[in-house]
Amino acid sequence: QVQLVQSGAEVKKPGASVKVSCKASGYTFTSYDINWVRQATGQGLEWMGWMNPNSGNTGYAQKFQGRVTMTRNTSISTAYMELSSLRSDDTAVYYCARVLNRGGGTYLIGYWGQGTLFTVSS
Amino acid sequence: EIVLTQSPGTLSLSPGERATLSCRASQSVSSYLAWYQQKPGQAPRLLIYGASSRATDIPDRFSGSGSGTDFTLTISRLEPEDFAVYYCQQYGSSPPTFGGGTKVEIK
Repeated sequence: QVQLVQSGAEVKKPGASVKVSCKASGYTFTSYDINWVRQATGQGLEWMGWMNPNSGNTGYAQKFQGRVTMTRNTSISTAYMELSSLRSDDTAVYYCARVLNRGGGTYLIGYWGQGTLFTVSS
Repeated sequence: EIVLTQSPGTLSLSPGERATLSCRASQSVSSYLAWYQQKPGQAPRLLIYGASSRATDIPDRFSGSGSGTDFTLTISRLEPEDFAVYYCQQYGSSPPTFGGGTKVEIK
């Protein structure tokens, strides 16, 4: 079965960077795009960007351009999302999420990781 | 970017009742509309995609309809496990966007 297992919670200071990992199993990692979505406490879902694990191609939401980097290591079926210049309003749960299928579109999410909470606080 | 507006913000119903949730897009998304369910402390779960196709293992009490700019998620008879927050998402154009959510709570 498809599983996405994310790294654990982190606490960071303003201005720092954080890198979240997302280990995929149960399918061919390079065959399905990965999206990253975040959710502040008590708030809605916010799309951050996507990555094609085969080519490494990425696309980021304008809001995060210049601060976010999505990468992967295909040898260990793991995707990464790094966010820099952290601010207090970056405190949220961050999800990696796999597309439902290859024909359904880059942004149709069928599978979600368990989420990673990172807190930005001085 | 396409804005999705969900209504109502909160729906207070009893088990066994019918729930009707609305999602309106600021411009046409054709049928590239999905619905997700999220329970406290959990990741969202895909319910409906293509406006009306149920995802795998989703009970048939969940149904989606609409196209263009107006969409509806209907839960025919609420079960206790259906009380949750529901989000719509358009995935036809970049950036993909989510609605603000509708909370279905027990009356």
